[in-house]
Amino acid sequence: NAGVTQTPKFQVLKTGQSMTLQCAQDMNHEYMSWYRQDPGMGLRLIHYSVGAGITDQGEVPNGYNVSRSTTEDFPLRLLSAAPSQTSVYFCASSPGQGGPTGYTFGSGTRLTVV
Amino acid sequence: SQQGEEDPQALSIQEGENATMNCSYKTSINNLQWYRQNSGRGLVHLILIRSNEREKHSGRLRVTLDTSKKSSSLLITASRAADTASYFCAFVPGYSTLTFGKGTMLLVSP
Repeated sequence: NAGVTQTPKFQVLKTGQSMTLQCAQDMNHEYMSWYRQDPGMGLRLIHYSVGAGITDQGEVPNGYNVSRSTTEDFPLRLLSAAPSQTSVYFCASSPGQGGPTGYTFGSGTRLTVV
Repeated sequence: SQQGEEDPQALSIQEGENATMNCSYKTSINNLQWYRQNSGRGLVHLILIRSNEREKHSGRLRVTLDTSKKSSSLLITASRAADTASYFCAFVPGYSTLTFGKGTMLLVSP
């Protein structure tokens, strides 16, 4: 059972480039979310999905797009990378809001924009 | 921002001592969760307490919740060096998914 898989683990982009961070889960979880983690800021919610075909914005959505065509996958697209998007990105999934096992996190993607 | 706030931001103790971390939030919640993050790794779920519960235990962890004060605390008893990590509270506000506090960095020295 792989859990939540994020790829790539590390990425360096030039300003203005676009890319997609991949997230896949094999637990048939309905809820999936993307967070970014910056020093001193904790984890901030970018976008989330409560099921296939349903997405919504979080606290810091600007510069990012998402789609959820399948239950398993929830890719995060950076449209035109900026240095301010240098961060560690985490994907998480859950069967619902308040299950006893909480949310399951991927191991993260460390992104540097130069 | 609807983020929670943890207190203290950093905590340094000796092995065997107890560690207490606090979390405050501003919205109504259905449950509050605590997570641990080892340096550079993903987050791991520790414990969930529902809004109708006041206290919950799991091994060396004890969580309390006071919905009237919109606050929670996490107590780790008999700390070990392996408990060194960052600890985050998290809850579901109006966004319908998990929102985190800024975390407490715990250092447990042998």
